Amino acid sequence: DTGVSQNPRHKITKRGQNVTFRCDPISEHNRLYWYRQTLGQGPEFLTYFQNEAQLEKSRLLSDRFSAERPKGSFSTLEIQRTEQGDSAMYLCASSLLRSEETQYFGPGTRLLVL
Amino acid sequence: DAKTTQPNSMESNEEEPVHLPCNHSTISGTDYIHWYRQLPSQGPEYVIHGLTSNVNNRMASLAIAEDRKSSTLILHRATLRDAAVYYCILRDGGTASKLTFGTGTRLQVTL
Repeated sequence: DTGVSQNPRHKITKRGQNVTFRCDPISEHNRLYWYRQTLGQGPEFLTYFQNEAQLEKSRLLSDRFSAERPKGSFSTLEIQRTEQGDSAMYLCASSLLRSEETQYFGPGTRLLVL
Repeated sequence: DAKTTQPNSMESNEEEPVHLPCNHSTISGTDYIHWYRQLPSQGPEYVIHGLTSNVNNRMASLAIAEDRKSSTLILHRATLRDAAVYYCILRDGGTASKLTFGTGTRLQVTL
C-alpha cells in the first residue's frame, strides 16, 4: 500500500497525559497537512509543512500542540496535557506542490480523552 | 477561502443519477472548485476539480455554471458505496494550500 498511513489508528488516554501521532505521507509528496475533525463537522486545518518547513499554523493549534517533520519525510503531532476537548479524529494528508494539488488523506487517528 | 453552500443531506436510489449542488457566489477568478467525499470511518477522498469548463473523470462529472457562482457534482449511477459526505471546496490556484471544509452534503443511497 503506497497511500498515506497514520499510527496509531485509535488512542484512548486520560486527561493530562501527552500523546503523539505519526503520519507517513506518500513518498514523493513534499507537502504534509494535519487536520482535526469532530463529530458531525468537516475537517479543520491545523498546520502544514513543505518539506521540513512548517509554513502555516491555525489558531486552533494551541501551545499544547506541536508538529514536526524532520528530514521532510514522516511527521509527528504531539498534544501535551490533553483535555477532553481534544477528543477528535486527527487526519493527515499529503500532496505534491502545484497550483491544483490534490490532497491524499490517511485513515486518521481517533483520540478519546477520558 | 471563499464560502460554499451545500444542502445538508440528499437521498438517491441505487443506479440512478445524483446531482449534488454547491453555491459559491463569492468565488474569485483564481479559485478552483474541488470536490472531496468522506466515506464512513475513512479520511476524505478526492473526487474531482475544475476551474471553468465542465470536467469528467472515472468517478464523477463536474458541471460549472457559466458565471461560476454554482456547480454540480454528478454521479451518473449511484451505488451503495457512494453513500458519503460530499464536500465542495474553493481553493485559490495562486496560493493553494489548506482545504477549508464546510459541513458538506450527506448522501444516502437506498436500494
